[in-house]
Amino acid sequence: NAGVTQTPKFRILKIGQSMTLQCTQDMNHNYMYWYRQDPGMGLKLIYYSVGAGITDKGEVPNGYNVSRSTTEDFPLRLELAAPSQTSVYFCASSLLAGGPDEQYFGPGTRLTVT
Amino acid sequence: GNSVTQMEGPVTLSEEAFLTINCTYTATGYPSLFWYVQYPGEGLQLLLKATKADDKGSNKGFEATYRKETTSFHLEKGSVQVSDSAVYFCALFNQAGTALIFGKGTTLSVSS
Repeated sequence: NAGVTQTPKFRILKIGQSMTLQCTQDMNHNYMYWYRQDPGMGLKLIYYSVGAGITDKGEVPNGYNVSRSTTEDFPLRLELAAPSQTSVYFCASSLLAGGPDEQYFGPGTRLTVT
Repeated sequence: GNSVTQMEGPVTLSEEAFLTINCTYTATGYPSLFWYVQYPGEGLQLLLKATKADDKGSNKGFEATYRKETTSFHLEKGSVQVSDSAVYFCALFNQAGTALIFGKGTTLSVSS
């Protein structure tokens, strides 16, 4: 049971390039989330999904896109990278939509846009 | 709106010292409250949680009590260890919301 896995761990992008951050969970969780963590700040929700085929925007969705074709996978797409997207990105999953339910986090992807 | 406020860090302590990290929240209704810990180079892990007023969450010697009257969820540990050095995040989940709301995090550094 690997939990939540993310790839890559590190990436440097040039302004205007595109990339996809991969996230996979093997716990059969319905809910999945993408957060970004900026230095000295808490995590901000980018997008979330309540199940395969269903996604919705979080607090900071601009510049990102997501899809959820399977229960296991929830990739995050950056289409035109900007320096403001330099951050650490965390994927998380939970069986239920919060409340007492724990969210399980991946190890993160550190992205630098220059 | 919903928000979480944590004490500013970094917090620097000697081994076996007493730890308090303050956390207060603003929310409608009755949110669930969490403390997550992030060790260097890793993702966040749930440390403890409380789902209703006066509940006490505890794990690995850490404790926090859900105080609705003061809207607080302070994290405490009686005797910290070097291995407790990490960033600690207070968070809430409001049933009307969609995901966790995090504080900015408090960095704890424990020296031997």
